[in-house]
Amino acid sequence: QVTLRESGPALVKPTQTLTLTCTFSGFSLSTSGMCVSWIRQPPGKALEWLAFIDWDDDKYYSTSLKTRLTISKDTSRNQVVLTMTKMDPVDTATYYCARVLRRRGSGYYWAFDIWGQGTMVTVSS
Amino acid sequence: QSALTQPASVSGSPGQSITISCTGASSDVGGFNYGSWYQQHPGKAPTLMIFDVNNRPSGVPDRFSGSKSGNTAFLTISGLQAEDEADYYCSSYSSTSTLVFGAGTKVTVL
Repeated sequence: QVTLRESGPALVKPTQTLTLTCTFSGFSLSTSGMCVSWIRQPPGKALEWLAFIDWDDDKYYSTSLKTRLTISKDTSRNQVVLTMTKMDPVDTATYYCARVLRRRGSGYYWAFDIWGQGTMVTVSS
Repeated sequence: QSALTQPASVSGSPGQSITISCTGASSDVGGFNYGSWYQQHPGKAPTLMIFDVNNRPSGVPDRFSGSKSGNTAFLTISGLQAEDEADYYCSSYSSTSTLVFGAGTKVTVL
């Protein structure tokens, strides 16, 4: 069974750096075609894609947020970490990690088949 | 990277069919067959319903179908059921090797 779980602080102050961890089970990020992504959703608003890391350690970032984001993986611990610098109240959101749907054979689809439950992060002084 | 355009709301009666549109540009929806659709019930994580324009993951009812024409993708729900009431989001790969979501559509079953 594939599961993902996000963890991190529920409250951060403006200008601080947010560090979120996605701990997963049921698959390995060392397997060809496996990837994990981060997506966020402000309260009452739409989903927003943030970042993506693949088994080969290739990384992709949202154009508008790339200067603030860093994604990394620890394959041995089955974890993906997202850091976001210079947090602002507009970054208040539920942050999700999700597994990317893998193609049979090799490669992947730009789609997320398994999601974590999400973790709510509030940015406030 | 601007959000894809979706209608704010769509409604239908049980048993009817509804279609949700998702309009982008030639650099995303129109340029690639990498569009997906997600269903999200209140307080829950999204669920993948369609990938690569018109493919259903296992377990998704065949009442849900996807298509595309030019820069617009479509999600059709046939035989609308009460449990289909939810928010729906489209997404697409973009030429800048990024992903963009739509603004979301609230589906109401009358």
